[in-house]
Amino acid sequence: DIQMTQSPSTLSASVGDRVIITCRASQSINTWLAWYQQKPGKAPKILIYKASSLESGVPSRFSGSGSGTEFTLTISSLQPDDYATYYCQPYSAHIFTFGPGTKVDIK
Amino acid sequence: QVTLKESGPAVVKPTQTLTLTCTFSGFSLSTSGMRVSWIRQSPGKAPEWLARIDWDDDKFYSTSLKTRVSISKDTSKNQVVLTMTNMDPVDTATYFCARVSCAAAGTGWACYFDKWGQGMLVTVSS
Repeated sequence: DIQMTQSPSTLSASVGDRVIITCRASQSINTWLAWYQQKPGKAPKILIYKASSLESGVPSRFSGSGSGTEFTLTISSLQPDDYATYYCQPYSAHIFTFGPGTKVDIK
Repeated sequence: QVTLKESGPAVVKPTQTLTLTCTFSGFSLSTSGMRVSWIRQSPGKAPEWLARIDWDDDKFYSTSLKTRVSISKDTSKNQVVLTMTNMDPVDTATYFCARVSCAAAGTGWACYFDKWGQGMLVTVSS
């Protein structure tokens, strides 16, 4: 199975900050990566698919990049609604895993 | 509009079997390419994938849980059912169902979860 790491595990930031979250895969996954946002008590919500494609309805301040083993999720200007936990997930044919998550909280 | 919703018991006793139902709308599991998964999340942890069922009744299970988990579908009712045997307090978690979206990748498929249910908390306690 592909193992994922995320950094940082927790990130404290202020409204308006540029936020960058990194996800690394244990082996190359091309651009087969998704990013989810999860708020407390809610289901994860897809933000980015195929590493850099923005899901319909997701604000353009969110962007994804990377390929191979290293990926980033960038929030260009953090908004109050963005305080949440973010997970990366490598696409899979059969067995699915998630990164350990990055919690973005208020500085 | 695609929606999914989980239902079942909120509390089960240790050693009991858990049965959860995912009722969905906006798509059909009789349509080629459609797939639904179950995923759970323990408090403070990352989501953990449990099982998947495809339109052609192919089924896939988590390696660590495959001896305890079973997935089935009732296409006429737009439902997917998860059963998990021998429940233990460590199985206390929020259980989600999710639609799976796949793209062709080489000779196989590459998939992620594009729509999720709201989830339901299942507590295992005597």
